[in-house]
Amino acid sequence: DARVTQTPRHKVTEMGQEVTMRCQPILGHNTVFWYRQTMMQGLELLAYFRNRAPLDDSGMPKDRFSAEMPDATLATLKIQPSEPRDSAVYFCASVRGGNTGELFFGEGSRLTVL
Amino acid sequence: AQKVTQAQTEISVVEKEDVTLDCVYETRDTTYYLFWYKQPPSGELVFLIRRNSFDEQNEISGRYSWNFQKSTSSFNFTITASQVVDSAVYFCALSEARNSNTGKLIFGQGTTLQVKP
Repeated sequence: DARVTQTPRHKVTEMGQEVTMRCQPILGHNTVFWYRQTMMQGLELLAYFRNRAPLDDSGMPKDRFSAEMPDATLATLKIQPSEPRDSAVYFCASVRGGNTGELFFGEGSRLTVL
Repeated sequence: AQKVTQAQTEISVVEKEDVTLDCVYETRDTTYYLFWYKQPPSGELVFLIRRNSFDEQNEISGRYSWNFQKSTSSFNFTITASQVVDSAVYFCALSEARNSNTGKLIFGQGTTLQVKP
């Protein structure tokens, strides 16, 4: 089965440290999303890319978060410096662009910032 | 503004009971898409269904059925003869026409369903 792959699955770090989460979208999917899930806010869209170009990152705190797609097989979400309020599960999802269909989600990266 | 409301935070039923999860949405678009996703305890989000705004026909898939009513802006999800494996968090989501090329979804807060043996 084709899957979206995310690493790491779990990350515990201390406040102030840099955190990088990685996502490998499904081959052929050219639109990639980053969502964050917390108890208080639910599922929030942070940023998304089409053909590796950022379409919207308005949901992302710009001062500490950055998202990139170095190539079609890799999306990264970086937090520097991390804060306890960044503790959440970060999901990557991909879809074939131009088709409002099923978003395929990865299993998520659970981040804990102490 | 676009918004999805799942008023039921948690529901608990006994196995074999029927259960309906409510979803109400807000949008100014006439063309939009509605979704349901399941998040089991393992954490991943699993796609269940997509409906477009021009298709109000109800859908049934096994023990799952969906009732889409534009008049009340609702897209409710019913599980018939619930099973313990149905225990999960269920999310309703909306994608508006202008986002149709991107697949951008706005999610409700989710309903946690617990099915007890």
